[in-house]
Amino acid sequence: EAQVTQNPRYLITVTGKKLTVTCSQNMNHEYMSWYRQDPGLGLRQIYYSMNVEVTDKGDVPEGYKVSRKEKRNFPLILESPSPNQTSLYFCASISGTGKYFGPGTRLTVL
Amino acid sequence: AQSVTQLGSHVSVSEGALVLLRCNYSSSVPPYLFWYVQYPNQGLQLLLKYTTGATLVKGINGFEAEFKKSETSFHLTKPSAHMSDAAEYFCAVSGAGGFKTIFGAGTRLFVKA
Repeated sequence: EAQVTQNPRYLITVTGKKLTVTCSQNMNHEYMSWYRQDPGLGLRQIYYSMNVEVTDKGDVPEGYKVSRKEKRNFPLILESPSPNQTSLYFCASISGTGKYFGPGTRLTVL
Repeated sequence: AQSVTQLGSHVSVSEGALVLLRCNYSSSVPPYLFWYVQYPNQGLQLLLKYTTGATLVKGINGFEAEFKKSETSFHLTKPSAHMSDAAEYFCAVSGAGGFKTIFGAGTRLFVKA
């Protein structure tokens, strides 16, 4: 079954404590992306990757890092989380038929 | 540069009534246009997309959308609303390949019995 998985699904953390949200897809897609969803703002792209070792900034990259060492995985890293990064995060994998979204990670930074 | 505007953050219709969710876009390149649906506590699911060719696009669950270049619009419609259609809907635009996609703010659809 084609799917995009994210872990963890829910996370509460404190300001400044580094965290990583993992994303994995089993469809062999080259392109993957991270979004955050906030009320009234829709989804905003954080980073995207067009292939292994190829990443680029989206619209709201500040405070985030990503890596793409292998095609299936695209982790999102928050080196020093802050409360304004409290949000719902979605990873997506793209093919010619559209984007496949993960189930989301709800992050709360206290 | 690309942008998407969804008119109306909330739309309420009666069951069986027409659903119309409005989306206008701007794009400096020929756009790819998408509608996604998000049910509570779930990720986004693709409803339909327009890339090239026929401007009337049919999607899942009886939804369709028409690309009108002259109006820069891609409104989503469904002839008869069902209770299960209650969700949040997002319009999105991208260039060829869909690499950089811009989403609208979303429209929450309420369906009254």
